[in-house]
Amino acid sequence: DIVMTQSPDSLAVSLGERVTINCKSSQNFLYTSSIEDDLAWYQQKSGQPPKLLISWASTRESGVPDRFSASGSGTDFTLTISSLQAEDVAVYYCQQYYGAPFTFGHGTRLEIK
Amino acid sequence: EVQLVQSGAEVKKPGESLTISCEGFGYSFTDYYIDWVRQMPGKGLEWIGVISPRDSHTRYSPSIQGRVTISVDKSINTAYLQWTSLRASDTAMFYCARHRSGNLSDAFNIWGQGTLVTVSS
Repeated sequence: DIVMTQSPDSLAVSLGERVTINCKSSQNFLYTSSIEDDLAWYQQKSGQPPKLLISWASTRESGVPDRFSASGSGTDFTLTISSLQAEDVAVYYCQQYYGAPFTFGHGTRLEIK
Repeated sequence: EVQLVQSGAEVKKPGESLTISCEGFGYSFTDYYIDWVRQMPGKGLEWIGVISPRDSHTRYSPSIQGRVTISVDKSINTAYLQWTSLRASDTAMFYCARHRSGNLSDAFNIWGQGTLVTVSS
């Protein structure tokens, strides 16, 4: 199975500040027929189901604010929030969908400092 | 509106059986894979398995294979997650989710509201 490792486990950031969450996969899945990476980022607010923010490692879903961006390739990926807003308090998960089992990272809890 | 609607919360005793459901609305049900995801209390997301509503082909996580069965009734646009003998450790929130496209390798863009399963004697 592909293991997804996120860091940090949690972080507290002041409103308006930049947030960076990292995700590392245990397997390089660049070597496929596509140049895109099968990596998604989800946001889960308290008491809600997860919401897809980013797919293909860097493509923002429709309606997701442009303060959310993501990058990475190979085994190392990053989710960035350029200016933290109060409504961004949530747990963020990365997920690989290259192949089943479609493993998630253990999550990064984001709070306001 | 495209949505997945899950059955309501369940409280069961150890050893009992259970089936929870996930009904798709607003799209062609057989065109998109459906996954089940577990979230134990206070924990992260854990992928359980996936089913193709078109041909009922399934894949399971090795960690849970044999404990649950995923099935589908495409005549009523509904996927199921079934246990034959529940344990207290099965207590969790269960989500169904739909792939964004008809491809198995794609992100999950539609999620059900979740079904809370509580197993307690």
